[in-house]
Amino acid sequence: QVHLVESGGGVVQPGKSVRLSCLASGFPFSHYAMHWVRQAPGKGLEWVAFISYDGVTKSLAESVEGRFTIARDNSNNTLYLHINSLRPEDTAVYYCVRKLCGGDCYNDYWGPGTLVTVSS
Amino acid sequence: DIQMTQSPSSLSASIGDRITITCRASQTIRNYLNWYQQKPGKAPKVLIYSTSTLQSEVPSRFSGSGSETDFTLTISSLQPEDFATYYCQQTYSTPWTFGQGTKVEIK
Repeated sequence: QVHLVESGGGVVQPGKSVRLSCLASGFPFSHYAMHWVRQAPGKGLEWVAFISYDGVTKSLAESVEGRFTIARDNSNNTLYLHINSLRPEDTAVYYCVRKLCGGDCYNDYWGPGTLVTVSS
Repeated sequence: DIQMTQSPSSLSASIGDRITITCRASQTIRNYLNWYQQKPGKAPKVLIYSTSTLQSEVPSRFSGSGSETDFTLTISSLQPEDFATYYCQQTYSTPWTFGQGTKVEIK
């Protein structure tokens, strides 16, 4: 049974940094590309970051380039999102999401999310 | 980036109603269109991928259709557990983008 569990959220001051983690279980983590998707309170879904199964290929949304870093540790089945220089607009639930590709690709499993609140 | 526009933004319907949600892409996305359901306080859940393929264990009252730029999600007979927000997503090109969501409420 696939499980994705995020952690690391909380209340963080503007300008500070935070590292989000996602522990994966129930599937061969090192075989799957992963995403981070965020959702501001009362708003829609926004794709944030992508990392390939082996960690070689990464991409970020333009809105977070230069401040966010995605990484993974396949030996520990963990996905990371490092966020620097936090801004109030980064306040959101951050979801760890698995990418599945057959003929098409989609996000088949989502973690419950971790809330980051940027506030002084 | 490809823009995804859903309509309506919200709708009110009764149990047993047939409802349709539309998603329009700003350029062709062939059939690379997925639909997700999200209930309050929960993560989204995939309902349909590749325009019309039902994810495992999703009830058959859900269906999807369309191609190129225009897509629809239909619920043939609305059930109490279907009241939620629905999002479309294109995976034709990066960055993957979502529609703004359609909230389905009880009339």
